[in-house]
Amino acid sequence: QVHLVESGGGVVQPGRSLRLSCAASGFTFSDYALHWVRQAPGKGLEWVALISFDGNHKYYADSVKGRFTISRDNSKNTLSLQMNSLRTEDTAVYYCARPLGFDSAELESWGQGTLVTVSS
Amino acid sequence: EIVLTQSPATLSLSPGERATLSCRASQSVSSYLAWYQQKPGQAPRLLIYDASNRATGIPARFSGSGSETDFTLTISSLEPEDFALYYCQQRSGWPPFLTFGGGTKVEIK
Repeated sequence: QVHLVESGGGVVQPGRSLRLSCAASGFTFSDYALHWVRQAPGKGLEWVALISFDGNHKYYADSVKGRFTISRDNSKNTLSLQMNSLRTEDTAVYYCARPLGFDSAELESWGQGTLVTVSS
Repeated sequence: EIVLTQSPATLSLSPGERATLSCRASQSVSSYLAWYQQKPGQAPRLLIYDASNRATGIPARFSGSGSETDFTLTISSLEPEDFALYYCQQRSGWPPFLTFGGGTKVEIK
């Protein structure tokens, strides 16, 4: 059974940094691309970033490009999101998600999310 | 950038009624469209992928249809647990960005 557990959320001041992690189990981690998706309070879903199965290819939403870095450690079954220069509009629940197929677009498995609050 | 527009924003129905949710893409996405259900305080759950394929464990009362720019999620007979938010989602060809629609809330009338 696929299990994704995010951690690292919290309250941070604008301009500061935060690192999120996602611990994965129940599947062959190194076979799958992985995504981060966020949801601001009371708002819809927003895709944040994608990393290929081997970590060699990374893609970002325009809203976070240049500030966020997605990475993975296939030896530890861990996905990360380094968030720098945080803004109030980055306040959201951040989900890690695994697609249905190795690099398909549909997100079949999601973590429970971790809340990031950017506030002074 | 492909924009997904969902309608209506809110659908007020009674249990047992049929729900029809729409998702329109600003340009063709072929059949690469998915639907998700989200309940308060929970992560989204994949319902439909490739426009019409039900994900594992999804009841047969959920069905998807459409292609190119117009898609529909139908819930044939609403169960109490179906009152929730529903999102459509697509992936652009390259780069492989994901885009979500703004959501439709199905609420109890």
